[in-house]
Amino acid sequence: AQSVAQPEDQVNVAEGNPLTVKCTYSVSGNPYLFWYVQYPNRGLQFLLKYITGDNLVKGSYGFEAEFNKSQTSFHLKKPSALVSDSALYFCAVRDNAPMGNNAGNMLTFGGGTRLMVKP
Amino acid sequence: NAGVMQNPRHLVRRRGQEARLRCSPMKGHSHVYWYRQLPEEGLKFMVYLQKENIIDESGMPKERFSAEFPKEGPSILRIQQVVRGDSAAYFCASSPYGQGNQPQHFGDGTRLSIL
Repeated sequence: AQSVAQPEDQVNVAEGNPLTVKCTYSVSGNPYLFWYVQYPNRGLQFLLKYITGDNLVKGSYGFEAEFNKSQTSFHLKKPSALVSDSALYFCAVRDNAPMGNNAGNMLTFGGGTRLMVKP
Repeated sequence: NAGVMQNPRHLVRRRGQEARLRCSPMKGHSHVYWYRQLPEEGLKFMVYLQKENIIDESGMPKERFSAEFPKEGPSILRIQQVVRGDSAAYFCASSPYGQGNQPQHFGDGTRLSIL
């Protein structure tokens, strides 16, 4: 079984400061990890993913995430927050299962973290 | 270059009625996923379909819920005899392949309200 935990319901940051949104995961195999952002009354927009390779992954809108296998974490970061970054952020995991194994197809999401960036 | 299209955006039903939610995947995508989101919660997987086949329905309630993705036309999520607890946002996502390393692309969802 795969699971994702986002320990913070809300993160408050001042504009211009760095931000971190935390995510830890659990899978039986190797993970595929994703971050999505959701604005009010909209669907989820893909930000970035970790599949393999460099532990630091760069994505859209200046976001990046660091994969840490020993800590089973995939925290989302941005060096300088913008007010327009305020939204709901979801971490998701897929088990790196072979084709034909259904566990490899579904995304398991964390409960979400609301990011509030104040001017 | 349209993304994933879901309709209707908002749907109101009375208890006992049927709800039909439609999803047209991105062009060239043959894999469709349905998720349900309760207020202030994450998305929960319901069902995964390819054209004319249900691949994984492990997240879908056994009763009242069904899904299809016909050879022609959109994918349909059907909820019969709706109850208040069915009120949620239902999101559809699509991908070109079923491989785990591909991101899923989401529609804007259908917000279902049960009176």
